[in-house]
Amino acid sequence: AQTVTQSQPEMSVQEAETVTLSCTYDTSESDYYLFWYKQPPSRQMILVIRQEAYKQQNATENRFSVNFQKAAKSFSLKISDSQLGDAAMYFCAYRSAIRDGGSNYKLTFGKGTLLTVNP
Amino acid sequence: EAQVTQNPRYLITVTGKKLTVTCSQNMNHEYMSWYRQDPGLGLRQIYYSMNVEVTDKGDVPEGYKVSRKEKRNFPLILESPSPNQTSLYFCASSSRWGKNTEAFFGQGTRLTVV
Repeated sequence: AQTVTQSQPEMSVQEAETVTLSCTYDTSESDYYLFWYKQPPSRQMILVIRQEAYKQQNATENRFSVNFQKAAKSFSLKISDSQLGDAAMYFCAYRSAIRDGGSNYKLTFGKGTLLTVNP
Repeated sequence: EAQVTQNPRYLITVTGKKLTVTCSQNMNHEYMSWYRQDPGLGLRQIYYSMNVEVTDKGDVPEGYKVSRKEKRNFPLILESPSPNQTSLYFCASSSRWGKNTEAFFGQGTRLTVV
């Protein structure tokens, strides 16, 4: 079974600074997807960024980028120019790319990192 | 607008009183699932459905039931709720086909069982 580990329960960053959230995972599969979800106080789960394991290029979405190290099974999220609206719980998640079997569509989540942005 | 709609958003109930949390999606997705979120544990899958009339257990199914009679709806049923089912619940849907891997989540249901 796959596992996802977020080793930082809480992080803080100054507004306009850069912060990196860590995520490691364990899998025996070679093809999969990785995600970062943001959960603000409204509780809504918002997809921030996704990475396909077969792509070597790191995904970027505006101020958000990832450092995907497949051999090390590491998938960190970098937030540049942090804004007050970035304050939220962030979840790293894994999904298999194998289409057979319903369990392969399951998202396996880490325990989350609570990000505080200080003005 | 593509969305997953859960109701209610907040629910307080007493131990043993049956309840249903509804979930509906308008994206014609085949795959739907329920997760519960608990502090320090992240989100864990309760049940999932691959299509109409096809459901199966996730990681924490005890005390829950689901049904999938229509493609768009996937209700979560707690026949005899207990305090350890106090949690934040999310319904999610995604397509089984194509390159789009994104899961769409409902707004969440905060359930308290006293």
